[in-house]
Amino acid sequence: SQQGEEDPQALSIQEGENATMNCSYKTSINNLQWYRQNSGRGLVHLILIRSNEREKHSGRLRVTLDTSKKSSSLLITASRAADTASYFCATDGGFKTIFGAGTRLFVKA
Amino acid sequence: DTAVSQTPKYLVTQMGNDKSIKCEQNLGHDTMYWYKQDSKKFLKIMFSYNNKELIINETVPNRFSPKSPDKAHLNLHINSLELGDSAVYFCASSQVAGGYNEQFFGPGTRLTVL
Repeated sequence: SQQGEEDPQALSIQEGENATMNCSYKTSINNLQWYRQNSGRGLVHLILIRSNEREKHSGRLRVTLDTSKKSSSLLITASRAADTASYFCATDGGFKTIFGAGTRLFVKA
Repeated sequence: DTAVSQTPKYLVTQMGNDKSIKCEQNLGHDTMYWYKQDSKKFLKIMFSYNNKELIINETVPNRFSPKSPDKAHLNLHINSLELGDSAVYFCASSQVAGGYNEQFFGPGTRLTVL
């Protein structure tokens, strides 16, 4: 399996619900990032959490990191139709960032 | 102002042809990247340049040759195109500092090899 694997692969929810995506990785990391990709577009950086942090918030986003389990989760609260996109975790090894396969989130209005 | 731009956005070509994709960033970043995203959305790093020097080459066939004329540009030339080269290619840039590496992506170039 690849470094930075997301789970689930796809998620469909109703507007207003919370969406949780998980990421597992294999090697030690400096930090972990989450990116969003809208259909037909490039990736956009959402949030970074350092290896010595356990939780971080940014607006409706909440990221947790458990280095003992080598896993992270991204929670999007009160989802909106505009949150429909693919979400990728990325583990950072200096100049080489490794992206997972992503979770495709579909938020129904 | 577009931070990271790529041209062309779409590229349709025949097998065996040679093609180039251009990338430019106006963010003043030292590091630029090429990624390949396949049909399953898996994003794989191909090359990374720092201050015009190649620092990562991820076992990409030597038909792919990146060129960085200056820090703001990283072009990708592909020789003898094959069907398996069909994908979306993304350019990105970042300023790596203190273990922090937020990358800024271009809009992508969708390459279709017929």
